[in-house]
Amino acid sequence: DTAVSQTPKYLVTQMGNDKSIKCEQNLGHDTMYWYKQDSKKFLKIMFSYNNKELIINETVPNRFSPKSPDKAHLNLHINSLELGDSAVYFCASSQDSGAFNEQFFGPGTRLTVL
Amino acid sequence: AQSVTQLDSQVPVFEEAPVELRCNYSSSVSVYLFWYVQYPNQGLQLLLKYLSGSTLVKGINGFEAEFNKSQTSFHLRKPSVHISDTAEYFCAVSNYGQNFVFGPGTRLSVLP
Repeated sequence: DTAVSQTPKYLVTQMGNDKSIKCEQNLGHDTMYWYKQDSKKFLKIMFSYNNKELIINETVPNRFSPKSPDKAHLNLHINSLELGDSAVYFCASSQDSGAFNEQFFGPGTRLTVL
Repeated sequence: AQSVTQLDSQVPVFEEAPVELRCNYSSSVSVYLFWYVQYPNQGLQLLLKYLSGSTLVKGINGFEAEFNKSQTSFHLRKPSVHISDTAEYFCAVSNYGQNFVFGPGTRLSVLP
C-alpha cells in the first residue's frame, strides 16, 4: 500500500489555466505538507496542515490555495498558472507537527506550464 | 531563522570508495537534524535523524552521520558506496517554532 499518494504524476497545461493536485495519506498522520522543488532541486515548504487546520503558510502567491477536507487529504489548487509555477510538487505527512517527526513524502507531481 | 548549507552540489565517487557529504547548519537554538535521500523520479525518504543522545547516528543502507555541535555540522558518511547509492541527498534541520528547512542538496554520482 502506498503511504502517501499524489495524483496526477504529470501535469502539462497552458498558462492561465487552473489546476488541482490531490494528496492522500493512509498512515493515520495528523500533519500534512506541500513542498515545491524547482529545477535546481531546491525544496521549499509551501503549506502545512495539522488536523485540517492551516499551521504553516509560507510566502506563496495567493493563486495557490490548499484545502484539507479531512486529515488524510490535502489538495493544492492553483489558479491562473504561470510559467514560473513549473516544478515538482511534493506532498508529505508526519505523525503530528512535532519538530522531531520524520516526514513521509509522496512520489511528486511534475507540473509543466507552457 | 535557521538555515542549512551543503557545500558540495555534486560529489562523484567510484564504486566501493568511501564518501562524505557535508552539511552545516545555523540556528540560535537546539535543533533536530535529518538526512533524506531522493532517488531519480521519486519522493524523499529518510536515511537517518539526530534528535538527542549519541552524536553518531546510524541509518539505512549503511549510512551514518555524526552531529558536531561545536562545528554545527552533521556530515553523512558511508564506508563503501554502491552504484545504487546514486541519488540526491538532502540535509534538513528543524526545531520547535520553526519550519522544517532543507539544504540545497548534494548530487552523489557513483561511478563503476
